[in-house]
Amino acid sequence: DQQVKQNSPSLSVQEGRISILNCDYTNSMFDYFLWYKKYPAEGPTFLISISSIKDKNEDGRFTVFLNKSAKHLSLHIVPSQPGDSAVYFCAAGEGSNYKLTFGKGTLLTVNP
Amino acid sequence: ETGVTQTPRHLVMGMTNKKSLKCEQHLGHNAMYWYKQSAKKPLELMFVYSLEERVENNSVPSRFSPECPNSSHLFLHLHTLQPEDSALYLCASSPLIQNVDEQFFGPGTRLTVL
Repeated sequence: DQQVKQNSPSLSVQEGRISILNCDYTNSMFDYFLWYKKYPAEGPTFLISISSIKDKNEDGRFTVFLNKSAKHLSLHIVPSQPGDSAVYFCAAGEGSNYKLTFGKGTLLTVNP
Repeated sequence: ETGVTQTPRHLVMGMTNKKSLKCEQHLGHNAMYWYKQSAKKPLELMFVYSLEERVENNSVPSRFSPECPNSSHLFLHLHTLQPEDSALYLCASSPLIQNVDEQFFGPGTRLTVL
């Protein structure tokens, strides 16, 4: 059973608007979460992370929100740019364990 | 070359072939990883090496055999694969295995098993 779920395989947004990518998890032992971005023919690159002791982390246009009670996190991109078009993966980890559990990814398309 | 490189980028092989995937990192990292991404499935961790010692074998069949001769190189030796092993194989490295948010990924090898 999938412990990290990204239920939207794809999302299309207009340039300048907000993109919201969602991720749900089932394992309450997860205590840190990461978002990766992947362009075609390239490996995933780390984007932003959040620890379970926080409910928000911001880095420029990217903000990750964590709702522990709902076991839900989201990545907000504001404003969205065409160069943000990529597959976004949510991943979760537990303690000092180096193993990450990934979601299947969401393909974001930002239209000019 | 910078970052993490993988060769070949594409590989087609028959079920009786033996081939190897190569990964090289130019970042001075001490941990290296093999991941598998099958179609419509999440990334799955296969193997982890820390300071050239294998610390993880995530229930991977023996037809996949990793090798880490030094901290910069990682190989995945393949033999008698099955068509369901067709996938994108990604290599990654990090300074230490604890630095999960500092994993740098290579571009991957797209493997097709006929």
